[in-house]
Amino acid sequence: AQKVTQAQTEISVVEKEDVTLDCVYETRDTTYYLFWYKQPPSGELVFLIRRNSFDEQNEISGRYSWNFQKSTSSFNFTITASQVVDSAVYFCALSEGKISGTYKYIFGTGTRLKVLA
Amino acid sequence: NAGVTQTPKFRVLKTGQSMTLLCAQDMNHEYMYWYRQDPGMGLRLIHYSVGEGTTAKGEVPDGYNVSRLKKQNFLLGLESAAPSQTSVYFCASYRRGAHEQFFGPGTRLTVL
Repeated sequence: AQKVTQAQTEISVVEKEDVTLDCVYETRDTTYYLFWYKQPPSGELVFLIRRNSFDEQNEISGRYSWNFQKSTSSFNFTITASQVVDSAVYFCALSEGKISGTYKYIFGTGTRLKVLA
Repeated sequence: NAGVTQTPKFRVLKTGQSMTLLCAQDMNHEYMYWYRQDPGMGLRLIHYSVGEGTTAKGEVPDGYNVSRLKKQNFLLGLESAAPSQTSVYFCASYRRGAHEQFFGPGTRLTVL
C-alpha cells in the first residue's frame, strides 16, 4: 500500500542553522510523483517542489534543496541557513499515478519547524 | 484566473446541523478532491471526482456526501454535523498531464 512517513513531528532550530526534514515513502507504482508543501501559520498550502520517479537528480532552489533516493525510498528536504520565516508545517506527499488513474495524494503527517531568532 | 476557490472560509455549526461546502475551479480540470486536515494527521482524502457526474470515496468518507454536477464545481455536504467533523477542509483540482494538484485556501469548520 502507498504510504508516506514523516517521522519528525516537530523540529526547533536557531536561526541560520541548517535543518533537514525527512520523508520516507512506500508505493507499488513504477511511475509516481513526490511533493513538498509548506503550510505557514496563515493556513494555506504552498507548493515547493515536484519530483517524478524517473528523475533522481537533487535539486537546489535558493536556500532549499531536495535529495531524492529511490534506493532508500526517501525524499528529504534541507533548508540552509534557516530563517524565522521558514517556521511552518511541511508536508511530504506521494501521488498515485498509472495504477489507479486517480492521481490522489497520500500525505505524510507533517513536520512542524520552529526557527528561533 | 482565480484558480481554486472555497466557500465559506469559516463556519461554526451546531451538532446535527447541515451545510454544504463549495469548491470552484476555473482551470477546466477534470479531477477534483476534498481533503480534511486534522492536527497530527496530515491531509486525508474524503471524496474525489474524476469527471463531471462521477464521484468516489476516499479514505475517510463517512458522514459526507459530494456532488459534481458541473465540471467546475465540487460540493461537499454534511447532512448531520458532528463534533468529530471539526477540521480544516481543502479542495484541490488536477489536470491530467500537469502532475500536480492545485489547492484552495481551505475552510475552517467548527462543530459545537
